Amino acid sequence: NAGVTQTPKFRVLKTGQSMTLLCAQDMNHEYMYWYRQDPGMGLRLIHYSVGEGTTAKGEVPDGYNVSRLKKQNFLLGLESAAPSQTSVYFCASRLPGGPQETQYFGPGTRLLVL
Amino acid sequence: SQELEQSPQSLIVQEGKNLTINCTSSKTLYGLYWYKQKYGEGLIFLMMLQKGGEEKSHEKITAKLDEKKQQSSLHITASQPSHAGIYLCGADVQETSGSRLTFGEGTQLTVNP
Repeated sequence: NAGVTQTPKFRVLKTGQSMTLLCAQDMNHEYMYWYRQDPGMGLRLIHYSVGEGTTAKGEVPDGYNVSRLKKQNFLLGLESAAPSQTSVYFCASRLPGGPQETQYFGPGTRLLVL
Repeated sequence: SQELEQSPQSLIVQEGKNLTINCTSSKTLYGLYWYKQKYGEGLIFLMMLQKGGEEKSHEKITAKLDEKKQQSSLHITASQPSHAGIYLCGADVQETSGSRLTFGEGTQLTVNP
């Protein structure tokens, strides 16, 4: 049981390049999330998904796209990277409902856009 | 939208001292989560509070949710260097498209030996 994994761990991009971040979970969780973390701003939700084939916008969705073709995977795409997208990206998953639900986080992907 | 404000933003304490981190919500909290994050790593779940007046403890860390369910505090007794990290509070937000967590800005804790 690997939990939530993220690929890659670190990446450097040039402005205008594209890339896809992969999040995978083996806990059969319905909900998956992509966050970005910047100094002094905590975690901000980019996009999320409540099930296979469904996605929704979070607080800061501009410049990103997502896809949830398989329940265990949630992909975050940057079509044309900008320096403002330099950040640490975290993926998370959870089971919906119930008082003891928790959200499990991946180890993060550090992205530097030059 | 629900906003969470944490205070202080950063805290430096001497090993062995007690400390408190606060999380204040602009709306009633229906689920309040505390996470810890070490530099360069993901978030680790600490505790979840749901009922007004609820208090939970894990080792030397105690979290409380006030009766009005708009403020939570995280208290560490006899701090140790292993307590150092970023502490984040998160709140359940229910939307038509599903539920998600919104987070405070985080409190950076440094514990000096």
